[in-house]
Amino acid sequence: NAGVTQTPKFRILKIGQSMTLQCTQDMNHNYMYWYRQDPGMGLKLIYYSVGAGITDKGEVPNGYNVSRSTTEDFPLRLELAAPSQTSVYFCASSYQGPLGTDTQYFGPGTRLTVL
Amino acid sequence: QKEVEQDPGPLSVPEGAIVSLNCTYSNSAFQYFMWYRQYSRKGPELLMYTYSSGNKEDGRFTAQVDKSSKYISLFIRDSQPSDSATYLCAAPGGGNKLTFGTGTQLKVEL
Repeated sequence: NAGVTQTPKFRILKIGQSMTLQCTQDMNHNYMYWYRQDPGMGLKLIYYSVGAGITDKGEVPNGYNVSRSTTEDFPLRLELAAPSQTSVYFCASSYQGPLGTDTQYFGPGTRLTVL
Repeated sequence: QKEVEQDPGPLSVPEGAIVSLNCTYSNSAFQYFMWYRQYSRKGPELLMYTYSSGNKEDGRFTAQVDKSSKYISLFIRDSQPSDSATYLCAAPGGGNKLTFGTGTQLKVEL
């Protein structure tokens, strides 16, 4: 199993540009998550999904959109990039959800800079 | 007040030292807790989880929870340079979400 894969690894955007961060998992997990991690700020949940076709907002959803058309894929869309979205983005997945003891498995991250 | 708080460090110790990493939490509803380890430029990975009060041991690592004082600890015995990483505590809150602390950066020196 490849686990959770993310593309691209790095990206530089200009203000106002759009992009999609890709996330794929091959573990047949129901739950998927998008986090952003800023220095000294920990992981903040952007959006999550409990299954194909179902998504919900996390702690910091503004400026982002998601979709979940398949179990495997959970892309994150930035429509109008702003410097405040400069961060490291992590995708994660889990089988049951964090209320049980199932682990969240994280991808390697995408480093995004908005100039 | 943040639901889970950690001292960000950095914490620097000599090889072989016993390391103590700590978190405090404010939500009494948290029933169990997790420790994640994150190497530089990598995603976090689960190190340990523990329920309620008491200790849980896994090799050189011991997780401890004191629910009366809302205090979570991770002890690392015989620390190695390979333990150098950021350690994040986490607790599951409502709505299938994990609440993470900010992480403590640990460096184990030769």
